[in-house]
Amino acid sequence: DVVLTQTPPTSSATIGQSVSISCRSSQSLLDSDGNTYLYWYLQRPSQSPQLLIYLVSKLGSGVPNRFSGSGSGTDFTLKISGVEAEDLGVYYCVQGTHDPPTFGGGTKLELK
Amino acid sequence: QVTLKESGPGMLQPSKTLSLTCSFSGFSLSTSGMVVSWIRQPSGKSLEWLAAIDWDGDKYYNPSLKSRLTVSKDTSNTQVFLKITSVDIADTATYYCARAEVYYSGWDYWGQGVMVTVSS
Repeated sequence: DVVLTQTPPTSSATIGQSVSISCRSSQSLLDSDGNTYLYWYLQRPSQSPQLLIYLVSKLGSGVPNRFSGSGSGTDFTLKISGVEAEDLGVYYCVQGTHDPPTFGGGTKLELK
Repeated sequence: QVTLKESGPGMLQPSKTLSLTCSFSGFSLSTSGMVVSWIRQPSGKSLEWLAAIDWDGDKYYNPSLKSRLTVSKDTSNTQVFLKITSVDIADTATYYCARAEVYYSGWDYWGQGVMVTVSS
């Protein structure tokens, strides 16, 4: 299975600060169809995950534009430009290029 | 309004078969492209994709668990089921169902999850 390694495991931020989370894949996520099936989810405490980003950089429906995704091949980044209190929780990257879909270990975003 | 809700036994003994139901509204699984997946999360850990069924009835399984999993849907296309045979303590987790409108769009709606404990 494809292994996704997220760094850092924990990030502390103040409100308004910008933060970046890295996701590195053990294999290229570029599919033969030209798409890269890399996703980002946020799981707030005691809630189900919610979709933030799909296909590396496309914003999910209703997701604030302070979230952005970038990257290619094996290296991907989620950036939050101006953290708000509602952004706290655990962020997961997910790949869907190779079967089975796999999740990263998560990055916990805390308030400093 | 799209909603999904999982239901299950709460607790069961090792070696038994776990049966889960995902009941949903606000969309139909007969709509072209639609996929419903099962994903689980042990307490305090990351998530694991288990299985999926699509609008056409095609089924997909995590190879590491495939021999123990069966995913199905009802004829009204408002419920999806997952059976896991021969459960053991390692199957203790919160089980989620989630939908994707098309195969590339990500899981945009999730159920609240159902906690399942395997214990003797």
